[in-house]
Amino acid sequence: DAMVIQNPRYQVTQFGKPVTLSCSQTLNHNVMYWYQQKSSQAPKLLFHYYDKDFNNEADTPDNFQSRRPNTSFCFLDIRSPGLGDAAMYLCATSREKGYLEKLFFGSGTQLSVL
Amino acid sequence: QQQVKQSPQSLIVQKGGISIINCAYENTAFDYFPWYQQFPGKGPALLIAIRPDVSEKKEGRFTISFNKSAKQFSLHIMDSQPGDSATYFCAASNTGNQFYFGTGTSLTVIP
Repeated sequence: DAMVIQNPRYQVTQFGKPVTLSCSQTLNHNVMYWYQQKSSQAPKLLFHYYDKDFNNEADTPDNFQSRRPNTSFCFLDIRSPGLGDAAMYLCATSREKGYLEKLFFGSGTQLSVL
Repeated sequence: QQQVKQSPQSLIVQKGGISIINCAYENTAFDYFPWYQQFPGKGPALLIAIRPDVSEKKEGRFTISFNKSAKQFSLHIMDSQPGDSATYFCAASNTGNQFYFGTGTSLTVIP
């Protein structure tokens, strides 16, 4: 049973054309994260929500934004995708905020930018 | 810069053999070291984790060895099976709630 669901599995967009990736969870977890993973690189945290409290990583480009309209859903918006934004985007959740918390990942959305 | 360095990038092991993946870190503030396993088409899933107050943690065929003085930790998979073929990520975190991942190791266990 999928607990963290990401749609779509593959997304193709054009250079500069806004794109939205979605994530939903059935775990009722308080924290939702977005990671960017480029080929052969480590997943990199972009931002996270603790409930409605948004936390942006210092080096996340302004081109990336996020919305969490309710506990279950979280969206990643890329306002003007560049070629360098092509990557796997992973959504994750944790029950609470804390470094000992277990992360639950979705299957990811592979974004291609043409 | 890479907070957690992982090696090797890929590993091929015979069925029944021992798979060993190594990670090293610099930040002594890290206080929690999980390993995640990722199968193709799936997201990473927590496999096993260790705190620095112990030098070893074992769960079934999976063991983490931790060397605090060397700032290194490793994953050992005993009696490796084809079903263990996956990508393995080490990670480190601290009270800042930020998880730093290694670059991953692609493990292939051949029958």
